[in-house]
Amino acid sequence: ETGVTQTPRHLVMGMTNKKSLKCEQHLGHNAMYWYKQSAKKPLELMFVYNFKEQTENNSVPSRFSPECPNSSHLFLHLHTLQPEDSALYLCASSQTRVDNEQFFGPGTRLTVL
Amino acid sequence: AQKITQTQPGMFVQEKEAVTLDCTYDTSDQSYGLFWYKQPSSGEMIFLIYQGSYDEQNATEGRYSLNFQKARKSANLVISASQLGDSAMYFCAMREGGGADGLTFGKGTHLIIQP
Repeated sequence: ETGVTQTPRHLVMGMTNKKSLKCEQHLGHNAMYWYKQSAKKPLELMFVYNFKEQTENNSVPSRFSPECPNSSHLFLHLHTLQPEDSALYLCASSQTRVDNEQFFGPGTRLTVL
Repeated sequence: AQKITQTQPGMFVQEKEAVTLDCTYDTSDQSYGLFWYKQPSSGEMIFLIYQGSYDEQNATEGRYSLNFQKARKSANLVISASQLGDSAMYFCAMREGGGADGLTFGKGTHLIIQP
């Protein structure tokens, strides 16, 4: 596999379920990101990890819990979500120079019933 | 206040014409980067072009160029000779501060190329 991969691509869950989204990058990057893309809203940065350390939490509710075991893998653990959390969740990675673009995965389309 | 403003929610352009997508930004940082991404209906985000705040020349990448006017805080994307495959959402984004910081995105412009 090359680039940034995300699994699952689609997820439907109830409000009482616990699920996890997985992101893996094969680019040797040091920084990884979670973004949320809701309908009719700009992409919202959720979390930033740099060399496995969380460097930014953009006031995300605690029902979203990120985990970064190493520079290549990033997880987003979900529990007791709300219907308004339904969105496309995008993972990205980059090197840590200001001019380095972020490479995005294909996203996980999440529906909360 | 919005940090990235894209004032064109949607645009229709004839094939082979040039198109300009507007983007204005707001920052007090001296060092920042501006990015444009394309998102087709399939959903993936595709990087198009980058402009650094200290770059004196406008960035170009193939048919894409960035019209950077620092004093006006604008970073418009120009697509020359548009093609049907250019139909997509286009997002302007900014990175302030360090190289590992996340991006702040605008709301996007939905570009439709007509034959």
